[in-house]
Amino acid sequence: KNEVEQSPQNLTAQEGEFITINCSYSVGISALHWLQQHPGGGIVSLFMLSSGKKKHGRLIATINIQEKHSSLHITASHPRDSAVYICAVRSPAGGTSYGKLTFGQGTILTVHP
Amino acid sequence: NAGVMQNPRHLVRRRGQEARLRCSPMKGHSHVYWYRQLPEEGLKFMVYLQKENIIDESGMPKERFSAEFPKEGPSILRIQQVVRGDSAAYFCASSPVVLGPARGYGYTFGSGTRLTVV
Repeated sequence: KNEVEQSPQNLTAQEGEFITINCSYSVGISALHWLQQHPGGGIVSLFMLSSGKKKHGRLIATINIQEKHSSLHITASHPRDSAVYICAVRSPAGGTSYGKLTFGQGTILTVHP
Repeated sequence: NAGVMQNPRHLVRRRGQEARLRCSPMKGHSHVYWYRQLPEEGLKFMVYLQKENIIDESGMPKERFSAEFPKEGPSILRIQQVVRGDSAAYFCASSPVVLGPARGYGYTFGSGTRLTVV
């Protein structure tokens, strides 16, 4: 079993729909990152969370540390949101690997006009 | 304030040649991480470096791969005698000095180097 599991693996939506991508992890972490990657493109960091909720434009990220679960929401989705969304957890402090990320397999989002 | 700079963006090597991938971290960032993304696979950790030190190389293949982050200049990921299976996107990320759980902010990725071995 992977240390970081995302669902769904593929997601298709119509423009304007509300989208949720889920991430569960099984290890201790210091923070959780949500990343975005366009095909053939670089990686953009959307959020870094250690507790609670963060919002940036139409994107909202939440984390529940006790349940080891995070969600990424996109409100009023748009075709330009089509990309791969990746959840990544950061190793806890105190070890030599603090800062190292372990990634989920990614969710491929396609938003149709 | 330039972000993490990786070069080249695309690199083609014949089997058996050497590949050198460069990463210049963001200004003020002293921690560098290398990740590899094989075709149709997720990102995997390779190595974590600070200036002149390898902190964690648990994700590096045992042979042919090496990494350095010298006192001056960029971090280098070096792959000797490349094989077709090395074809992948290699991403570098950097972060500032880490002082505790509340720090480690500003984790930034480069645009990646796409290595193709022919």
